[in-house]
Amino acid sequence: AQSVTQLDSHVSVSEGTPVLLRCNYSSSYSPSLFWYVQHPNKGLQLLLKYTSAATLVKGINGFEAEFKKSETSFHLTKPSAHMSDAAEYFCVVTPFYNQGGKLIFGQGTELSVKP
Amino acid sequence: EAGVTQFPSHSVIEKGQTVTLRCDPISGHDNLYWYRRVMGKEIKFLLHFVKESKQDESGMPNNRFLAERTGGTYSTLKVQPAELEDSGVYFCASSQVISKGGREQYFGPGTRLTVT
Repeated sequence: AQSVTQLDSHVSVSEGTPVLLRCNYSSSYSPSLFWYVQHPNKGLQLLLKYTSAATLVKGINGFEAEFKKSETSFHLTKPSAHMSDAAEYFCVVTPFYNQGGKLIFGQGTELSVKP
Repeated sequence: EAGVTQFPSHSVIEKGQTVTLRCDPISGHDNLYWYRRVMGKEIKFLLHFVKESKQDESGMPNNRFLAERTGGTYSTLKVQPAELEDSGVYFCASSQVISKGGREQYFGPGTRLTVT
């Protein structure tokens, strides 16, 4: 079985400071892992994905995530937050072999950015 | 390229009524998915079409929900009769193979359903 746990339901940072959104996963098989973002009244947008290649994955808008198998983690980071980063972020897992199958979502982390 | 579109964006209905949600995937995408987020909960998978066939409907909550994808293009999700616990945001996504490591699913903006 697969599952993801996002360790914080809400994170608040100041503009220009680093962002860390934490995610732990559980998977019986080699996982594919994703981070999606949802801005208000918008659809979910893929930020980045890990699919068993490089463990440090770079995404759009300066975000990156590192796959750590020993810690079963896939935390999302950004060196410097921007006001436009305020949104809800979802960590997602799917078994690597199950290409095209269902995505399993974490509970979401709401990111607030203060001026 | 047009993204995934969903209609309506909002729907408010009374308990016992019927509602039909529509999803238009990205042109050429064979895979179409429905997900739902009930307030305060995580987004959960409902079902997966490959073209017009149901590949996986393990997430459908009960037989009040009926999904169709006639002709393998757009899809509808009908709730009949609606219950209060059906309230939430219904997302549609579509995908085509772009890499070996997992297909990216492109999401629509969702339909917010409120059952009163």
